Amino acid sequence: DGGITQSPKYLFRKEGQNVTLSCEQNLNHDAMYWYRQDPGQGLRLIYYSQIVNDFQKGDIAEGYSVSREKKESFPLTVTSAQKNPTAFYLCASRDSDRTKNIQYFGAGTRLSVL
Amino acid sequence: AQKITQTQPGMFVQEKEAVTLDCTYDTSDQSYGLFWYKQPSSGEMIFLIYQGSYDEQNATEGRYSLNFQKARKSANLVISASQLGDSAMYFCAMRPPEQGFQKLVFGTGTRLLVSP
Repeated sequence: DGGITQSPKYLFRKEGQNVTLSCEQNLNHDAMYWYRQDPGQGLRLIYYSQIVNDFQKGDIAEGYSVSREKKESFPLTVTSAQKNPTAFYLCASRDSDRTKNIQYFGAGTRLSVL
Repeated sequence: AQKITQTQPGMFVQEKEAVTLDCTYDTSDQSYGLFWYKQPSSGEMIFLIYQGSYDEQNATEGRYSLNFQKARKSANLVISASQLGDSAMYFCAMRPPEQGFQKLVFGTGTRLLVSP
C-alpha cells in the first residue's frame, strides 16, 4: 500500500538533546513537508522540500533542521535550540497534479519534553 | 497575510442528519486553492475535498460537498447523512500563491460530534 510513514509515534526529549523524527513515503511524490500542531490550533509549516537536496524554511523553522538525501525520505531534527518542542508533528507529501497540489499526511509523531 | 477563520469550535449533529461547517478566508490573491481535512483522534490528517478559486461548480466528493461563495470568501463544508465515524476535528485550509503554491494555511478547526 502506498502511503506516508512517520516514526516513532511517541518521542520524549531530554533537555539539551537533539531528536530526529522520521518520515518516509512510497507515493513517488517530489515535494515533502513538515508541520507542527499545538493544542487547539491548526498546522504551521516548519520546512518543505520540492526536490532532492533542496529545502526551504517555512513559517516556524527556528530550532529545526531537515535533510533530503533521498526522494522517499525527509527527516526532521528538533534541536536543543527549539525551546518549546512539545507538539504534534505531521509530515506530508504533495500529489504531482499541479492543478490541485493536494498534500497527503502521515499519522504524526507526538513529541514531549521530559 | 492570508488567514482562515473557523468560528465554530464545536458542532453536534445526530446520525443521518446533514451538518455544515463554516470556513471564511481572507486573501487578496485571485488564484488559490481551498481544502478540507478531517483529523480523527488518531491524529492523521485525511484529505476530504478541494476547490479551486476559478472553479465555477461547487466541489463534491461522496457525502462531502463544498459550498463555495467567492464574493463572500466562504468555503463551507457540508456533510450529508452524518455517520458516527464522522466524529473528528475538521480543518479548512487555503493554498495561496506565495512560495509557489507550496504552503497551506490552516484554520483552528471545528470539532464535530455525531450522536446516535
